[in-house]
Amino acid sequence: DAGITQSPRHKVTETGTPVTLRCHQTENHRYMYWYRQDPGHGLRLIHYSYGVKDTDKGEVSDGYSVSRSKTEDFLLTLESATSSQTSVYFCAISGEGGFTEAFFGQGTRLTVV
Amino acid sequence: TQLLEQSPQFLSIQEGENLTVYCNSSSVFSSLQWYRQEPGEGPVLLVTVVTGGEVKKLKRLTFQFGDARKDSSLHITAAQPGDTGLYLCAVYNNNDMRFGAGTRLTVKP
Repeated sequence: DAGITQSPRHKVTETGTPVTLRCHQTENHRYMYWYRQDPGHGLRLIHYSYGVKDTDKGEVSDGYSVSRSKTEDFLLTLESATSSQTSVYFCAISGEGGFTEAFFGQGTRLTVV
Repeated sequence: TQLLEQSPQFLSIQEGENLTVYCNSSSVFSSLQWYRQEPGEGPVLLVTVVTGGEVKKLKRLTFQFGDARKDSSLHITAAQPGDTGLYLCAVYNNNDMRFGAGTRLTVKP
């Protein structure tokens, strides 16, 4: 199994509070991604990173920020959580883009109440 | 508008039946991937198709990439309950990776 772990696995938080999710890899892969998964929408890209300190927005980036200060860690922050951000969040890693396989973490279930 | 449109969204069949699910786009891609996701887990890669018209077989699963490299299909022969899951197609779009909404397949014993 690819070395990718997400923490926490489950979290309940209150509306308006900041939340940070962590993705840690041991594969030294260049690319890291954060997705959210909601019924009927599949996986939607929030932000991605193509190297240390190199990040870019995805399809649904509003209300989210990311940071990557080390190759192995990619943090997703909800600046002020809202109920619409209740979702399952997945982190993924891959080598050079194109034909390479993406490996996923086991997901973080976030509930904003 | 989603980059990748998958159909059908849901599919429920009996064990032993055949089925085909589709992934369509108006864009051309250099490659396309299919993933399967089981409940509580992240997606896992099934196949990558690269060449227009390419057909790849993985046991009872047959994947085809359209000649124009805009669409793909996944055919399952003699479906089994173990095939139950969410099937997702994905493409690399510049530096990022995008997914379709998926086809949720249920195979009943």
